[in-house]
Amino acid sequence: AQSVSQHNHHVILSEAASLELGCNYSYGGTVNLFWYVQYPGQHLQLLLKYFSGDPLVKGIKGFEAEFIKSKFSFNLRKPSVQWSDTAEYFCAVSNSGTYKSIFGTGTRLKVLA
Amino acid sequence: DAGVIQSPRHEVTEMGQEVTLRCKPISGHDYLFWYRQTMMRGLELLIYFNNNVPIDDSGMPEDRFSAKMPNASFSTLKIQPSEPRDSAVYFCASSVRQRPSTDTQYFGPGTRLTVL
Repeated sequence: AQSVSQHNHHVILSEAASLELGCNYSYGGTVNLFWYVQYPGQHLQLLLKYFSGDPLVKGIKGFEAEFIKSKFSFNLRKPSVQWSDTAEYFCAVSNSGTYKSIFGTGTRLKVLA
Repeated sequence: DAGVIQSPRHEVTEMGQEVTLRCKPISGHDYLFWYRQTMMRGLELLIYFNNNVPIDDSGMPEDRFSAKMPNASFSTLKIQPSEPRDSAVYFCASSVRQRPSTDTQYFGPGTRLTVL
């Protein structure tokens, strides 16, 4: 069965620190990969997505993620975080066959000003 | 576009009562998803529809939960009878199949349900 693992449940960083959030999935077929973000009091919104082509994907607000097929990973990165990046981040995977996304349990990021 | 609309935004009810959550997807979207979010279990897919037809309801926790989509612009998630462990935030999301497929989902603001 498909699954998504986010190993970091809580991350606390100071402003300007670099960020990397891990995401691993288990599925052998062709996948689409997503990172969603949920800011405090708001609903989930798409941060970035990968479905084909360049495995390094750039999203909004300076975020990027790299798809490494051999490692079944899609880690999220940002070179310098800001206080406004405080949010919960969800990794998700879907496949063309079932067209449903499986979400990880989320990583709560707190950035200290 | 107004985005995905959910109502009510907050619901407080007593154990045993029936609860109905409502969702209006983005116009033109042909997929609709219901999720439940809790601290313990994260974001769980309950059920999803394609063209108003339920495709996968394997995430529905038990028979107390039911979902319908009578038309392309409206869906309900009903819990009867409700229990305290149903307390969670329930999200509705919609998407449209694109070529190439990207499966991006657009989420509503959620309904925070509290069952006393």
